[in-house]
Amino acid sequence: KAGVTQTPRYLIKTRGQQVTLSCSPISGHRSVSWYQQTPGQGLQFLFEYFSETQRNKGNFPGRFSGRQFSNSRSEMNVSTLELGDSALYLCASSVTTGSGGYTFGSGTRLTVV
Amino acid sequence: AQKITQTQPGMFVQEKEAVTLDCTYDTSDPSYGLFWYKQPSSGEMIFLIYQGSYDQQNATEGRYSLNFQKARKSANLVISASQLGDSAMYFCAMREGADSWGKFQFGAGTQVVVTP
Repeated sequence: KAGVTQTPRYLIKTRGQQVTLSCSPISGHRSVSWYQQTPGQGLQFLFEYFSETQRNKGNFPGRFSGRQFSNSRSEMNVSTLELGDSALYLCASSVTTGSGGYTFGSGTRLTVV
Repeated sequence: AQKITQTQPGMFVQEKEAVTLDCTYDTSDPSYGLFWYKQPSSGEMIFLIYQGSYDQQNATEGRYSLNFQKARKSANLVISASQLGDSAMYFCAMREGADSWGKFQFGAGTQVVVTP
């Protein structure tokens, strides 16, 4: 059974550019969450989607956005990149309402130069 | 305010020994879940164990057990018989309320190094 797939694994972007990260959840999983991990701030919740609807949102500026498609695949977009956006972005999925643990992907490591 | 506190930034443990990783949490919601995740250097977060706030028994999963002390708001992870492959970062996380679903709050983590 395939796990949570995040693409690309690594990305280098320039300040001011925008970036789109992709997450394919485990087959049958309808809930997808996104996290940002940095050495300074640790793991921070970005947003969560269930059946194409945003269920929860973290405290991030509007430059960070996401969406979920009908096949449960999710994308997150960061516009006008800043150096501080350099981080590991993790996606996690679960079957429904998340009783128990979520399964995480290996992440996309974004470097902004 | 910090909701999840892990006071041990790092620790060394010898192979085959048991290790306890500390975690305290802060919430006023009566319904919450506590989780432990392992993150090896590859970056993937691996779910280890879950404890619900209403669970009467401490959770166990193979070599992992969760020492849940509700009154003290403590949820320590115990790894028995450590193996070299247990070397990783360990995160304690909490999900508050019935509506949080995939919204976890993570602690800062504890780096565990298992030595031969």
